[in-house]
Amino acid sequence: KQEVTQIPAALSVPEGENLVLNCSFTDSAIYNLQWFRQDPGKGLTSLLLIQSSQREQTSGRLNASLDKSSGRSTLYIAASQPGDSATYLCAVIGAGGTSYGKLTFGQGTILTVHP
Amino acid sequence: EPEVTQTPSHQVTQMGQEVILRCVPISNHLYFYWYRQILGQKVEFLVSFYNNEISEKSEIFDDQFSVERPDGSNFTLKIRSTKLEDSAMYFCASREGAEAFFGQGTRLTVV
Repeated sequence: KQEVTQIPAALSVPEGENLVLNCSFTDSAIYNLQWFRQDPGKGLTSLLLIQSSQREQTSGRLNASLDKSSGRSTLYIAASQPGDSATYLCAVIGAGGTSYGKLTFGQGTILTVHP
Repeated sequence: EPEVTQTPSHQVTQMGQEVILRCVPISNHLYFYWYRQILGQKVEFLVSFYNNEISEKSEIFDDQFSVERPDGSNFTLKIRSTKLEDSAMYFCASREGAEAFFGQGTRLTVV
């Protein structure tokens, strides 16, 4: 059974810092890995999708990497801003059989960026 | 930009009542999902739906739950007899290619 773990559980940084959020998963047979942002009481906004054949994806100040063989992904946020404050969720997408397309989520990292 | 739409955004119901949560997936998507998130906990998979049938369901998705695609656009989750522990945010998602797109969720409160 796929398990996804995110470290740290919470992170508080001053504005302007570069930071790294970590995600690990137990079963390397994944199709994709997707990073989401969730604001309090709100839905899930997709940030980046990394397909299993890729090693990284970039969008603006965000860069996500994937090391499938070791079961790890990192989300790098450059020059953090107070508006980045949210919960960041990592989810892996099953590769085959009935797990195809099903997302398994980590518990999230709560990020606070203070001015 | 196409988006997944869920209604209502918030529903309060009495224990034992039936509720139907509604979703309109992105129009050309073929794979549909329901997830839930109990306050303070992980987002959990409930069920996946493809080609007008359930393709996978979790152990949470017992006989009290059902899904339906009654027409070409809607995708519904029904809970027959709600329990207090069904209180959660319920998310609908749809997918065509690699990326899953989520709705804004329905917050279900069972009292």
